[in-house]
Amino acid sequence: DGGITQSPKYLFRKEGQNVTLSCEQNLNHDAMYWYRQDPGQGLRLIYYSQIVNDFQKGDIAEGYSVSREKKESFPLTVTSAQKNPTAFYLCASSIGGVLRIAEAFFGQGTRLTVV
Amino acid sequence: AQSVAQPEDQVNVAEGNPLTVKCTYSVSGNPYLFWYVQYPNRGLQFLLKYITGDNLVKGSYGFEAEFNKSQTSFHLKKPSALVSDSALYFCAVRPASGGSYIPTFGRGTSLIVHP
Repeated sequence: DGGITQSPKYLFRKEGQNVTLSCEQNLNHDAMYWYRQDPGQGLRLIYYSQIVNDFQKGDIAEGYSVSREKKESFPLTVTSAQKNPTAFYLCASSIGGVLRIAEAFFGQGTRLTVV
Repeated sequence: AQSVAQPEDQVNVAEGNPLTVKCTYSVSGNPYLFWYVQYPNRGLQFLLKYITGDNLVKGSYGFEAEFNKSQTSFHLKKPSALVSDSALYFCAVRPASGGSYIPTFGRGTSLIVHP
């Protein structure tokens, strides 16, 4: 089945640790996105990528980093510089980023908790 | 800059009654509009989109949405609500040309359907 897979589903981070969230898609989509979801705040864009080896900061990129070495993969690292990382993280992809009529496909999310 | 407003945090409706979830948008030029649904601890699922043409768009699970250009609205509707429709609903907008191709999401509306 085609789709987007995020792992792990639940992740616990200690203070000062970096953690990496995985996102893999087999939809052959060019564009991939990372969103953060907090209660009552909707989805906020962290990073996005239109093509392999290229990515751009979104609205809340501070404390996060990404890479796009393969078309299928867009991992997100939450660094120790992110002061309030507890949230639900969603990865998404769409056909050719500039093809604006295309809807986004979402993974099932990763819930990150700082302990 | 583009924006989406979902004026109601929560909508309550009895099973079998019609439901409406409101969305208004702001964008330069013509919009592409989307509705997504999110069940607890899951990713977003695409419901329907407006690109051009007929102002009434039909989507998945019996949902439809009406585009009103003069009111800059794209309200989600369903003639007869089901308890299983209870979820979080997000409206999103992109400009049809120019500006950012990244979709902007509203804050979400929680739909509760009572038996």
